[in-house]
Amino acid sequence: EAGVTQSPTHLIKTRGQQATLRCSPISGHTSVYWYQQALGLGLQFLLWYDEGEERNRGNFPPRFSGRQFPNYSSELNVNALELEDSALYLCASSTGQAISEQYFGPGTRLTVT
Amino acid sequence: ELKVEQNPLFLSMQEGKNYTIYCNYSTTSDRLYWYRQDPGKSLESLFVLLSNGAVKQEGRLMASLDTKARLSTLHITAAVHDLSATYFCAVEGNTPLVFGKGTRLSVIA
Repeated sequence: EAGVTQSPTHLIKTRGQQATLRCSPISGHTSVYWYQQALGLGLQFLLWYDEGEERNRGNFPPRFSGRQFPNYSSELNVNALELEDSALYLCASSTGQAISEQYFGPGTRLTVT
Repeated sequence: ELKVEQNPLFLSMQEGKNYTIYCNYSTTSDRLYWYRQDPGKSLESLFVLLSNGAVKQEGRLMASLDTKARLSTLHITAAVHDLSATYFCAVEGNTPLVFGKGTRLSVIA
């Protein structure tokens, strides 16, 4: 069974540009989560989507947004990129049930120059 | 607001020795997770602890959960170099997962 997949693996952008990151969950999983792992800041929760709806949002500005498609894959969009957005962005998926372990993808390394 | 604290943040240990990583959290939660992360890689799930007194073991790693004390431990027995990695605990709160800062473990000969 395929795990969580993310693309691209690496992304280099310039300040002010927009970045789009993609995630495909494990088959049968309806929930997708996005986390940011920035140097020195640890892992921080960004967004949670389930059944196409945004269920929860972490303490990030509105320029971080996303969506979930009917096939449960998800996009994370970061507008007006800033240098401090450079980080590893991890996507995870789960079945969305009350007790449900999250499985993480390989991540997208975003570098903003 | 749920806070998760791990200690130590850095741990250098000799091969063959035992050590424990601690994870304290501030509010009641039903589930606690331990993950391993190798440099530049994603998170690998190690343990899911769902109830008070839960103990799980895999190889040289053993995790336990005391929900009354809001404390989980990850015990390393007879460390080997392959265990060198960063270990995170994570707790479910109002947001899906709140992570500790991680413990960077280095096992040296």
